[in-house]
Amino acid sequence: QKEVEQDPGPLSVPEGAIVSLNCTYSNSAFQYFMWYRQYSRKGPELLMYTYSSGNKEDGRFTAQVDKSSKYISLFIRDSQPSDSATYLCAMSRGGADGLTFGKGTHLIIQP
Amino acid sequence: EPEVTQTPSHQVTQMGQEVILRCVPISNHLYFYWYRQILGQKVEFLVSFYNNEISEKSEIFDDQFSVERPDGSNFTLKIRSTKLEDSAMYFCASRELESTDTQYFGPGTRLTVL
Repeated sequence: QKEVEQDPGPLSVPEGAIVSLNCTYSNSAFQYFMWYRQYSRKGPELLMYTYSSGNKEDGRFTAQVDKSSKYISLFIRDSQPSDSATYLCAMSRGGADGLTFGKGTHLIIQP
Repeated sequence: EPEVTQTPSHQVTQMGQEVILRCVPISNHLYFYWYRQILGQKVEFLVSFYNNEISEKSEIFDDQFSVERPDGSNFTLKIRSTKLEDSAMYFCASRELESTDTQYFGPGTRLTVL
């Protein structure tokens, strides 16, 4: 069983739609949950960070963590063509632990 | 806005050669990391570094890899004898405080082993 599962897509939606991205994980020791955006052949860019369970909102982005279900989500409201990228979920146990990434979901926002 | 920088952006080397990838983390950050991403695959953790020593390392980080902070700003990854399968993007990341786990990534070095 893979530690972090993420549907690679591609996920194609029209401009203005609400996008829902998600990951499941198996390691209950994960405490920190992140979403990164990555453009082709570039470094991951941190979008959202959440500690433990709960919701966090930042502009058009909302991150949700449900530790009981081992399920995390990222919602993008009023999606724009510039949001087209690969979205990576990542998580860790904290301390010096490295991040464990999902494979990424390729998102396409159609103008 | 402070950012992690990496050099070179692209490195081409022959199999068996040594390469050194360089990173300048964000200046007040305490933890440093190396990751790699083989084309089309997920980003994979290699090693973390704190207080001038390795904190954690993955199974990928075997004896052919080493890390060093030779001065107050640079953080390097050395691959002693490169193999074809070492071809990948290598990302450096850094983190500020122990209480948070927000890691900021550099733009990466694309390593091509021929």
